[in-house]
Amino acid sequence: KAGVTQTPRYLIKTRGQQVTLSCSPISGHRSVSWYQQTPGQGLQFLFEYFSETQRNKGNFPGRFSGRQFSNSRSEMNVSTLELGDSALYLCASSIEDSYGYTFGSGTRLTVV
Amino acid sequence: TQLLEQSPQFLSIQEGENLTVYCNSSSVFSSLQWYRQEPGEGPVLLVTVVTGGEVKKLKRLTFQFGDARKDSSLHITAAQPGDTGLYLCAGESGGSNYKLTFGKGTLLTVNP
Repeated sequence: KAGVTQTPRYLIKTRGQQVTLSCSPISGHRSVSWYQQTPGQGLQFLFEYFSETQRNKGNFPGRFSGRQFSNSRSEMNVSTLELGDSALYLCASSIEDSYGYTFGSGTRLTVV
Repeated sequence: TQLLEQSPQFLSIQEGENLTVYCNSSSVFSSLQWYRQEPGEGPVLLVTVVTGGEVKKLKRLTFQFGDARKDSSLHITAAQPGDTGLYLCAGESGGSNYKLTFGKGTLLTVNP
């Protein structure tokens, strides 16, 4: 059974640019969540999608956005990148009404 | 704002020793999950506890959920070098929340 797939694994971008990260959940998982992990703040919740609807959003600026497609794949976009956006971005999927999430290996974003 | 405090932040022990990691909050959670994360990878779910007072054992790992569902502990018996990693606790509030609140983690190093 394939796990959660995130692409790309590594990304280097320049301040002011925008970036799109992709996540393919485990087959049959309709809930997809995104988290930002930094050494100082740990893992922080960005947003959660279920059946193409955003059900919850974390405390991040509007430059962070996401969407989910009909096949449950999800993308997140960060516009006008800042140095502080450098982080590991993790995607997690789960089955509705069950506890526990399966995380992907993440996308390491470096903003220079 | 819900917070999860993990202690200790760092732990370095010798192979064969026992250890306990704590996860505390002033908030009630519907479930508490423990994850282990290795460098460059996403967190991997170890266990989910949902009932106050619940104790779950996974080989040498014992997890406990506090009676009031505000705290949890992870005890490892006879630690091995393969147990090295970042241990994260995460709480889920339930209802229409759809997000995990993570502690900042305990970085465990088991020396051979």
